[in-house]
Amino acid sequence: DAGVIQSPRHEVTEMGQEVTLRCKPISGHDYLFWYRQTMMRGLELLIYFNNNVPIDDSGMPEDRFSAKMPNASFSTLKIQPSEPRDSAVYFCASSFQGYGYTFGSGTRLTVV
Amino acid sequence: GENVEQHPSTLSVQEGDSAVIKCTYSDSASNYFPWYKQELGKRPQLIIDIRSNVGEKKDQRIAVTLNKTAKHFSLHITETQPEDSAVYFCAASSGSNYQLIWGAGTKLIIKP
Repeated sequence: DAGVIQSPRHEVTEMGQEVTLRCKPISGHDYLFWYRQTMMRGLELLIYFNNNVPIDDSGMPEDRFSAKMPNASFSTLKIQPSEPRDSAVYFCASSFQGYGYTFGSGTRLTVV
Repeated sequence: GENVEQHPSTLSVQEGDSAVIKCTYSDSASNYFPWYKQELGKRPQLIIDIRSNVGEKKDQRIAVTLNKTAKHFSLHITETQPEDSAVYFCAASSGSNYQLIWGAGTKLIIKP
């Protein structure tokens, strides 16, 4: 198994642009999580899905953030419009029944 | 809701000595307690986990202990090596929503 696959690994964009982060979870995992990590705020849960259905999006900072999971093997996190304070490392993680989260390599987002 | 506190925030030990990191949780319904290691610039990786029906679990130089009465759990690393230097996160979840609640992390420094 290739693990959780995220793309792109690095993204540099200008303020106001749309950013789309992608994630392919481990096959057979039924939970998918999107996290954001910064030095100041640590690991923050943004949203999670169970069997492709969003369960809790209370961590999404504002309406500029949206996430979808159209099928069991793909999820996106979109920021529109992006702002410098969105700069962070975004991790996707998947798990089976909530145990043993496996994280992707992350996307380092820089908004200038 | 659940709250997880982790101590210390930084721990410096001599190579070869033992390191202990402690976490407390608030929700008595929590029943799953994983530990993650995150090296600089890399993803968090699961190193060991324990479920509430077990008091202790070992994997080579790493062990985790759980005290359900006191609602705390600890990570023990023996014979520390330079490659143990990283940030370690504890987490807890209950069976109700499978969402992990994270500690703030401990930066472990192994001095040569």
